[in-house]
Amino acid sequence: SQTIHQWPATLVQPVGSPLSLECTVEGTSNPNLYWYRQAAGRGLQLLFYSVGIGQISSEVPQNLSASRPQDRQFILSSKKLLLSDSGFYLCASPNGAYGYTFGSGTRLTVV
Amino acid sequence: EDQVTQSPEALRLQEGESSSLNCSYTVSGLRGLFWYRQDPGKGPEFLFTLYSAGEEKEKERLKATLTKKESFLHITAPKPEDSATYLCAVRVNDYKLSFGAGTTVTVRA
Repeated sequence: SQTIHQWPATLVQPVGSPLSLECTVEGTSNPNLYWYRQAAGRGLQLLFYSVGIGQISSEVPQNLSASRPQDRQFILSSKKLLLSDSGFYLCASPNGAYGYTFGSGTRLTVV
Repeated sequence: EDQVTQSPEALRLQEGESSSLNCSYTVSGLRGLFWYRQDPGKGPEFLFTLYSAGEEKEKERLKATLTKKESFLHITAPKPEDSATYLCAVRVNDYKLSFGAGTTVTVRA
């Protein structure tokens, strides 16, 4: 079965500091991968998706970037965090009739 | 534009008090409607997939139904452990799901 690992689970970072969140997938090969952000009281906003190594599509202009250095690895980064980057970040991958499988998420607080 | 709207935003229930959550959608050519449960600080967990109007799926105290414009998640005789945020999503194309904002359900003992 497909499993998505995300880390860290929580992160508190000062404004202007860099960010790196990592997601790895097990149980599938060449998966599509997605980064979502979930703000309080709001739905999941698609940030980036990737259909393969080195292939990144951005859904919304923002302070973040994504990379896919390996087939099962997806990284979300920022060079300088903003307060507005705070939120709950989820990595996801399609899983047939289940829609998506999600990671456990990273709670990012920018202070 | 594809859109998913969930109501109510929050629902407070007494244990045993049945209720329904609504998910209304506008999408050209539905290719799947999904319900997920999300506990605080965790990723969403899959509950149901519905594909066509009239379809129903059931799991323990939860039952999902689908019409051409909306889906309902019925919670029958809820227990405190049913407290969670319930998310609805529709597949809008081969690579993307569009999510509603969710309904947060609190069940009091």
